[in-house]
Amino acid sequence: DAGITQSPRYKITETGRQVTLMCHQTWSHSYMFWYRQDLGHGLRLIYYSAAADITDKGEVPDGYVVSRSKTENFPLTLESATRSQTSVYFCASTLNRGTEAFFGQGTRLTVV
Amino acid sequence: EDQVTQSPEALRLQEGESSSLNCSYTVSGLRGLFWYRQDPGKGPEFLFTLYSAGEEKEKERLKATLTKKESFLHITAPKPEDSATYLCAVQLDLNTGFQKLVFGTGTRLLVSP
Repeated sequence: DAGITQSPRYKITETGRQVTLMCHQTWSHSYMFWYRQDLGHGLRLIYYSAAADITDKGEVPDGYVVSRSKTENFPLTLESATRSQTSVYFCASTLNRGTEAFFGQGTRLTVV
Repeated sequence: EDQVTQSPEALRLQEGESSSLNCSYTVSGLRGLFWYRQDPGKGPEFLFTLYSAGEEKEKERLKATLTKKESFLHITAPKPEDSATYLCAVQLDLNTGFQKLVFGTGTRLLVSP
């Protein structure tokens, strides 16, 4: 089915380890985003991408790295996980600049 | 600083009891206002986009309205299946030419039968 899928859905990792969260969309949307959702903060933008090989920082990019070699994939890597990165991560995509975003199911990441 | 505030944080209604959720914002250069619904363990689901003061949009029991400083999500005769967290987000321009969404923290709605 067409849509936006994230993997894994749940992940527990140790402090200092590298972890990659995957995001795949089948709509050929140009724009893709990574958000984190924490109690009391709402959704905050980590990184976004306007097209393959074009990425930029959002509000809270420190400690994260992204890449986008193909339009459909937008992985998010935590280079050295910290407990403060325990959160629920959502990937989203939009067809064009300014149109509504479609979200994945989320990845719940726990850093111990 | 751009800010989006939603109220109340939580709302409990009886089935059929109409009410409104509020989203107030202090931002520069509003490009649009979005409403999303989020069920537990799932990603936000798009409901409405409003672009200018006075605009209204409806979908089933939901109606969204927009003024220059706030938006309301009116829920008429709610049903238990309307229970969810409702998120408001404002769309702003970045100096990169891109637009970003700034989200409120949401209103948790529980509708009891």
